[in-house]
Amino acid sequence: GQNIDQPTEMTATEGAIVQINCTYQTSGFNGLFWYQQHAGEAPTFLSYNVLDGLEEKGRFSSFLSRSKGYSYLLLKELQMKDSASYLCAFRNTGGFKTIFGAGTRLFVKA
Amino acid sequence: DGGITQSPKYLFRKEGQNVTLSCEQNLNHDAMYWYRQDPGQGLRLIYYSQIVNDFQKGDIAEGYSVSREKKESFPLTVTSAQKNPTAFYLCASSMVSLDQPQHFGDGTRLSIL
Repeated sequence: GQNIDQPTEMTATEGAIVQINCTYQTSGFNGLFWYQQHAGEAPTFLSYNVLDGLEEKGRFSSFLSRSKGYSYLLLKELQMKDSASYLCAFRNTGGFKTIFGAGTRLFVKA
Repeated sequence: DGGITQSPKYLFRKEGQNVTLSCEQNLNHDAMYWYRQDPGQGLRLIYYSQIVNDFQKGDIAEGYSVSREKKESFPLTVTSAQKNPTAFYLCASSMVSLDQPQHFGDGTRLSIL
């Protein structure tokens, strides 16, 4: 079957670093996406990984290990505006279906 | 600016009524999707379309219908057969390439009267 897991909630302090983990299970894999979603708003694209390793984009980095079915999103120099839900999603082979996790709600405190 | 427009932002449905949610995009994307989001749950795929006049059921298609008569438009009808329609509905589009992310509209919040 297909499954994707991420923690429900995390809390971190402004200026700190936080790592949001995601594990997935699928028989076919075509890349992993991270999206940010503020409450009541549309998700916005953050990153895409299809090969093992780390992709860095400013304050945000994303890591993928295909053999372990594992990814993480790293947020550095946290700001209050980073308080949002972070959705992990993978695209499987054979089509354009994207499987989304339930999201991790991140609370950034002063 | 290119983007996806969903309307209305809020919608109320009476018992036995069908309602249609609009989704229009000017990004020239071939693929379009409808998702449902419930509190504490991930996005669940209702229908998707990779090309005009063709669409496929997602994981929770029962009680919903769609059409794709134009590349820019992918309306979703929530029929009276959908017994629990209260949710946040998101429309998305993407290029037909596996490494391309989906772009989302601002969503429609549907409630039962």
